[in-house]
Amino acid sequence: GENVEQHPSTLSVQEGDSAVIKCTYSDSASNYFPWYKQELGKRPQLIIDIRSNVGEKKDQRIAVTLNKTAKHFSLHITETQPEDSAVYFCAAREGRRALTFGSGTRLQVQP
Amino acid sequence: DVKVTQSSRYLVKRTGEKVFLECVQDMDHENMFWYRQDPGLGLRLIYFSYDVKMKEKGDIPEGYSVSREKKERFSLILESASTNQTSMYLCASSLGGRTYNEQFFGPGTRLTVL
Repeated sequence: GENVEQHPSTLSVQEGDSAVIKCTYSDSASNYFPWYKQELGKRPQLIIDIRSNVGEKKDQRIAVTLNKTAKHFSLHITETQPEDSAVYFCAAREGRRALTFGSGTRLQVQP
Repeated sequence: DVKVTQSSRYLVKRTGEKVFLECVQDMDHENMFWYRQDPGLGLRLIYFSYDVKMKEKGDIPEGYSVSREKKERFSLILESASTNQTSMYLCASSLGGRTYNEQFFGPGTRLTVL
């Protein structure tokens, strides 16, 4: 089955700096890569996703890049703000299967 | 607005008890999922269902079973709870068919087995 590895496990940045979280996946057939944000005590919520036929997608301060050859994808957050502090999960899916999640990254944005 | 609800936010049970966790979604989603969330391990899939009475094992099905008698409801059953099943349990649902459909999560049930 699919295996998704996520790094780093924790990340601390100063407000206004950029943050990058990286994930690798094992199944070359995976074609959908969402990112979820989980604030403390709340449910995970989708923030951005990318399909395998696209190399990059951007939504305001967040962007995701996908390298199918290397089987890795990354989340980029620019101009970080304290409200970006949360746990971020990457995930991958092939076909009709369920999502396989990474282990999560705890992002702390220092004011 | 999609709503996924879970029967309890917090649950405390004794070792050996049979435990039922209920999940209900109100958006007519075909797919429903049960994950457990543990620090440093992310979200691990226990079981999922893509139709009524259909189920498939996820990555960690041992010690769990599921039931989906109605489209909107997906139950997770711990036949004989053990302390290593102490965890946060998250239910999710999504539309079926296309592979790019968003998964919507419930608020979670924090289960403690004593």
